[in-house]
Amino acid sequence: KQEVTQIPAALSVPEGENLVLNCSFTDSAIYNLQWFRQDPGKGLTSLLLIQSSQREQTSGRLNASLDKSSGRSTLYIAASQPGDSATYLCAVSGSARQLTFGSGTQLTVLP
Amino acid sequence: EAGVAQSPRYKIIEKRQSVAFWCNPISGHATLYWYQQILGQGPKLLIQFQNNGVVDDSQLPKDRFSAERLKGVDSTLKIQPAKLEDSAVYLCASSLDSAANTEAFFGQGTRLTVV
Repeated sequence: KQEVTQIPAALSVPEGENLVLNCSFTDSAIYNLQWFRQDPGKGLTSLLLIQSSQREQTSGRLNASLDKSSGRSTLYIAASQPGDSATYLCAVSGSARQLTFGSGTQLTVLP
Repeated sequence: EAGVAQSPRYKIIEKRQSVAFWCNPISGHATLYWYQQILGQGPKLLIQFQNNGVVDDSQLPKDRFSAERLKGVDSTLKIQPAKLEDSAVYLCASSLDSAANTEAFFGQGTRLTVV
């Protein structure tokens, strides 16, 4: 059974810092990996999707990497802003395309 | 492009009552998911449909939860009777699920409070 772990559970940084969020998964037989953002009381917004054959994806200040063999992914956020404050969730997709989520990292960027 | 639509946004019911949630996926998306998200946790898959067939319902508490996707488009999730531990946000998601595109898109969710 796939298990996804996200470290740290919470993170507080001053504005302008670069930061890294970590995600690990137990079964490397994944189809893809997605990073989501969730604001309080809201649904999930897809940030980046990495196919199993890819090593990384970039969108603006966000860069996600994937090391399938070691079961790890990182989300790098450059020059953090208060508007980046949210919970970030990592999810891996299995052969039937079902998503297994981690518990998320709650990020607070202080002005 | 319209996103995944869910209703209602909020629902408060007493334990042992029944409740139903509705989801309209993005047009053309073959796969539809229902997730349960308890406060402080990541979403947990309840059921996955491919068109109108069930792909995975292994984590659906079938003694009280049921879901259907008629005509392979809209879906409803029902809880009967509700328990206090069912208090959570219920998220619907859909994906195109072609070989080239399996990105999942989520609705705003329905926040259920059972008192």
